[in-house]
Amino acid sequence: QKEVEQNSGPLSVPEGAIASLNCTYSDRGSQSFFWYRQYSGKSPELIMSIYSNGDKEDGRFTAQLNKASQYVSLLIRDSQPSDSATYLCAVNTNNNDMRFGAGTRLTVKP
Amino acid sequence: GAGVSQSPSNKVTEKGKDVELRCDPISGHTALYWYRQSLGQGLEFLIYFQGNSAPDKSGLPSDRFSAERTGGSVSTLTIQRTQQEDSAVYLCASSVRTSGGADTQYFGPGTRLTVL
Repeated sequence: QKEVEQNSGPLSVPEGAIASLNCTYSDRGSQSFFWYRQYSGKSPELIMSIYSNGDKEDGRFTAQLNKASQYVSLLIRDSQPSDSATYLCAVNTNNNDMRFGAGTRLTVKP
Repeated sequence: GAGVSQSPSNKVTEKGKDVELRCDPISGHTALYWYRQSLGQGLEFLIYFQGNSAPDKSGLPSDRFSAERTGGSVSTLTIQRTQQEDSAVYLCASSVRTSGGADTQYFGPGTRLTVL
């Protein structure tokens, strides 16, 4: 079992729709969770971090964490073509290492 | 302030040669990570430095790979006797470790390594 798993996609949504990206992790002791966005040919950049169960909202982005289910998600409301990228889920493990998922490729169609 | 910098941005080498990749983290960041990303793939963890502690080398794929961090700042990733499967983008990231372990990483632009 991979430490951090994501659906590789591609996920395609129409402009203005909600995009839902999911991630599960194996280390139950993990405490910190991150979503990074990576445009093609570029380095990852941080979008959201979440540390407590529940929802955390930042503009059009909402991160959701459920530690009991070892599940973290990212919702993007009013999706824009500029949101088209690969979204990487990252988990700070109990060993204080960071582990990344393989990423979900999102395409927002105008 | 300056972000994470990496050099060279591109490196083409012949199979069997050694290469060195450099990372300059953000000033004051105590943690430094190296990752490898093959085309269309996610990030593969390689090695992690935290302050003066022994590095976590658990992600290094073989003994041809090594890394060091001098003075708690600049890091060099060395790949000996390169193989074609080593071709990838090598990304460096740094972060400020908080007491709670929260760890927002800032990535450099990467070094694209091509082994012919």
